[in-house]
Amino acid sequence: AQSVTQPDIHITVSEGASLELRCNYSYGATPYLFWYVQSPGQGLQLLLKYFSGDTLVQGIKGFEAEFKRSQSSFNLRKPSVHWSDAAEYFCAYNQGGKLIFGQGTELSVKP
Amino acid sequence: DGGITQSPKYLFRKEGQNVTLSCEQNLNHDAMYWYRQDPGQGLRLIYYSQIVNDFQKGDIAEGYSVSREKKESFPLTVTSAQKNPTAFYLCASSQQGAKTGELFFGEGSRLTVL
Repeated sequence: AQSVTQPDIHITVSEGASLELRCNYSYGATPYLFWYVQSPGQGLQLLLKYFSGDTLVQGIKGFEAEFKRSQSSFNLRKPSVHWSDAAEYFCAYNQGGKLIFGQGTELSVKP
Repeated sequence: DGGITQSPKYLFRKEGQNVTLSCEQNLNHDAMYWYRQDPGQGLRLIYYSQIVNDFQKGDIAEGYSVSREKKESFPLTVTSAQKNPTAFYLCASSQQGAKTGELFFGEGSRLTVL
């Protein structure tokens, strides 16, 4: 079955450290892939998306993600984490006009 | 300002009662969606509608119902048939039926069954 998997339920990083959140997809063709962020008790906001072309995509708030077909991955990265980045992050893909989400990764930031 | 408005933000329900969650958008989007969020399970699609007067079941439609009589409105009814309705409910909308993938979300409604 087609799906996205986020292997890490919870990650803690120190402020200023680099961040990588993992996302693996299971899909026959090249999927449309997305990363969303959710602050506690709020809706989701789109960080970035990949459709085709350049495999390194830039998003808002200093985030980027790299599509790697050979590894079926679309990992989210940020070179230096800020305390305000603490939130839950969701990877998703487009399936027939609807978005299917991964389980989410909760990010905590240590001062 | 354009956006999606969900109401109420918090709702308490007794077992056996139906409850309706409101979702209104002024983005002129064609498609609207309802997701349910539970801890550790991500977002699961309940229903979606890509055009007025038409909607489709998502992965967990049992115990829920929707209507799409107006482009800007997509209310969700949680019926007494839903066995575990306590959850955070998110409404979203998009242009082009989410072909581009960008969903715009409301701030959610938290339903608690007492």
